Amino acid sequence: QTVVTQEPSLTVSPGGTVTLTCASSTGAVTSGYHPNWFQQKPGQAPRPLIYSTSNKHSWTPARFSGSLLGGKAALTLSRVQPEDEAEYYCLLHYSGSQLWVFGGGTKLTVL
Amino acid sequence: EVQLVESGGGLVKPGGSLRLSCAASGFAFNNAWMTWVRQAPGKGLEWVGRIKRKADGGTPDYAAPVKNRFIISRDDSKNTVYLQMNSLNIEDTAVYYCSAGLGVTDFDSWGQGTLVTVSS
Repeated sequence: QTVVTQEPSLTVSPGGTVTLTCASSTGAVTSGYHPNWFQQKPGQAPRPLIYSTSNKHSWTPARFSGSLLGGKAALTLSRVQPEDEAEYYCLLHYSGSQLWVFGGGTKLTVL
Repeated sequence: EVQLVESGGGLVKPGGSLRLSCAASGFAFNNAWMTWVRQAPGKGLEWVGRIKRKADGGTPDYAAPVKNRFIISRDDSKNTVYLQMNSLNIEDTAVYYCSAGLGVTDFDSWGQGTLVTVSS
C-alpha cells in the first residue's frame, strides 16, 4: 500500500518562512507525480493552492510556492500571515494505477 | 459561479447502502472529470475515486478501500455525479466531498461536503 508522508505539525512565527514536505513510500517524488497542495481550515472544504509541483491557482497568494526538494514535493510559505494557520495536504498521482493518494496532512501553527 | 452541492448523507447501519449526489452548476459539467474525496472525523483527506468525462471514456477509478463496494456514475443531462456506497462499515464514516476538474486540475472546485455516519 502506497503511503504519502508529511510532517504532522510545524510552527512558524508571523513574517517567517516555513517549508512543508511530502514524501512517497515508492521513492523520490518527481514532477511525474503531479504534486498538488491544499489548504484546509476547520469546518471548511479544502482549497487548492498548488498543482503540478509549482503552478499556482489564480487565487493562490504569491507567498505560497511549490517545488521539489531532496526527493520530496515541498510547499514553502514566505512572510507567513496569521491567516495561514491551517492544515495543509499534499496529493500525489500514481500513473501506473491511475490513482491519487493524499498525505496525512501538516498542521501549521502561526505563533 | 461554479457550485457543487452534495446531498444524500445521513445515518446508516453497518452493511447498509447509501447513494450520495453532487449537483453541479456554473460550468460545462459534461467536460469535467468529477472526483469524490472523504474525510473521517478528525482525520485527513482520502481520495475515494473519480469518473472521467464521456469524451475520455466516462470510466471510473477507485481507491483500494472502496473498490468493489462503491460505484461512481454520472448523469450529464442532470449535471450530477453519484456515489453509490454498498456494504458500508464504520470506517466509511466521513464527510464526503465532490470536486470538479474545470480544465486545470481534477480538483479545481469543491463542494461543502455531506456527512455519512455508519453506526448501529
